[in-house]
Amino acid sequence: AQTVTQSQPEMSVQEAETVTLSCTYDTSESDYYLFWYKQPPSRQMILVIRQEAYKQQNATENRFSVNFQKAAKSFSLKISDSQLGDAAMYFCAYNFWGGNKLVFGAGTILRVKS
Amino acid sequence: NAGVTQTPKFQVLKTGQSMTLQCAQDMNHEYMSWYRQDPGMGLRLIHYSVGAGITDQGEVPNGYNVSRSTTEDFPLRLLSAAPSQTSVYFCASSPGTRSRNEQFFGPGTRLTVL
Repeated sequence: AQTVTQSQPEMSVQEAETVTLSCTYDTSESDYYLFWYKQPPSRQMILVIRQEAYKQQNATENRFSVNFQKAAKSFSLKISDSQLGDAAMYFCAYNFWGGNKLVFGAGTILRVKS
Repeated sequence: NAGVTQTPKFQVLKTGQSMTLQCAQDMNHEYMSWYRQDPGMGLRLIHYSVGAGITDQGEVPNGYNVSRSTTEDFPLRLLSAAPSQTSVYFCASSPGTRSRNEQFFGPGTRLTVL
């Protein structure tokens, strides 16, 4: 069975600084997708970024980028120029190709200090 | 588009009561899913559907029923509520294609079972 592990229950970052959230996963599939979702206090789940396993190039979305290491089964999220609005719970999630079943990590709470 | 809508937003039940959590999407997505979120555990899949008339169990299906009579609606039924079902419930939908398989989430329902 696929598993997703987020080893950092909480992280803090100073406003305008850079922070990296870690995620590792376990799967025997070769074709899959990885996602980072943001959950602010409103509890709405917001897609931040996604990565297709067959693409070697790391995904980027404005201030958000990933470091995808397929062999190591690692998928970290880097947030640059952190803003107060980035404070939230961040979830790493896995979905195999053609699947409909997201597997989530336990989440990392990100606090942003002004 | 309203996206994915869920009702109610909050609900309190007594042990043994039954109820239905409603979920609807207006994006013509084939895939729909129900997740529950408990502290420290991320989101876990309860049931999912890959199209009208087709449903299957996820990781934690016990105590819940689903049906999918239309593409738009995917209700979740609690047959006899138990305190262990106190949680936040999220409905999600996805186009289900290779190029677009990220899931779009509703705002969630906070359920308390006394």
